[in-house]
Amino acid sequence: RKEVEQDPGPFNVPEGATVAFNCTYSNSASQSFFWYRQDCRKEPKLLMSVYSSGNEDGRFTAQLNRASQYISLLIRDSKLSDSATYLCVVGYTGRRALTFGSGTRLQVQP
Amino acid sequence: GAVVSQHPSRVICKSGTSVKIECRSLDFQATTMFWYRQFPKQSLMLMATSNEGSKATYEQGVEKDKFLINHASLTLSTLTVTSAHPEDSSFYICSARMLQGAGVSDTQYFGPGTRLTVL
Repeated sequence: RKEVEQDPGPFNVPEGATVAFNCTYSNSASQSFFWYRQDCRKEPKLLMSVYSSGNEDGRFTAQLNRASQYISLLIRDSKLSDSATYLCVVGYTGRRALTFGSGTRLQVQP
Repeated sequence: GAVVSQHPSRVICKSGTSVKIECRSLDFQATTMFWYRQFPKQSLMLMATSNEGSKATYEQGVEKDKFLINHASLTLSTLTVTSAHPEDSSFYICSARMLQGAGVSDTQYFGPGTRLTVL
């Protein structure tokens, strides 16, 4: 079983749609959680950290459920520029490197 | 914001040659840098953790004699792919960890990556 699992997609949605991505992680000792965005042939860029209380940044809302070991990302009012691969990323206690999910590809269509 | 640079951005080489990739943190000091590799349509896979002034820690399955890592200063880590072969062709990405405080989740900033093609 992968340490971080994501639905690979692709998710094809029209502009203005709301889309949600889910992610599960297997290690209960996980300490930090992030969503990164990766455009084709580019490096990952931090989209947002994810906190237990949930957090919002503009059109993006992230949620963390530690009991279920589940992380989500909600994108409202999708823009064409949101098209990318979204990576669920987890940091573990005692291990300073991050573990990446395989990513969920989003394609926003006009 | 924190900036990490990587050089070169793209390299094409013949089989059997060695390739050096540099990773620099431009506006902060990084005691730890990480080297990842990403094959097409796959996730980033950690290759090794590079610590300034000490030996790198390699992940299982990564040959330390083939992927030489040197972290000579707080702003520079290098990865040398020795005797490269076509199967080493990949996207190599470094990241530098910016510590935000004890007990607080830390953030990593990524370099733009180096696309290696071995003919």
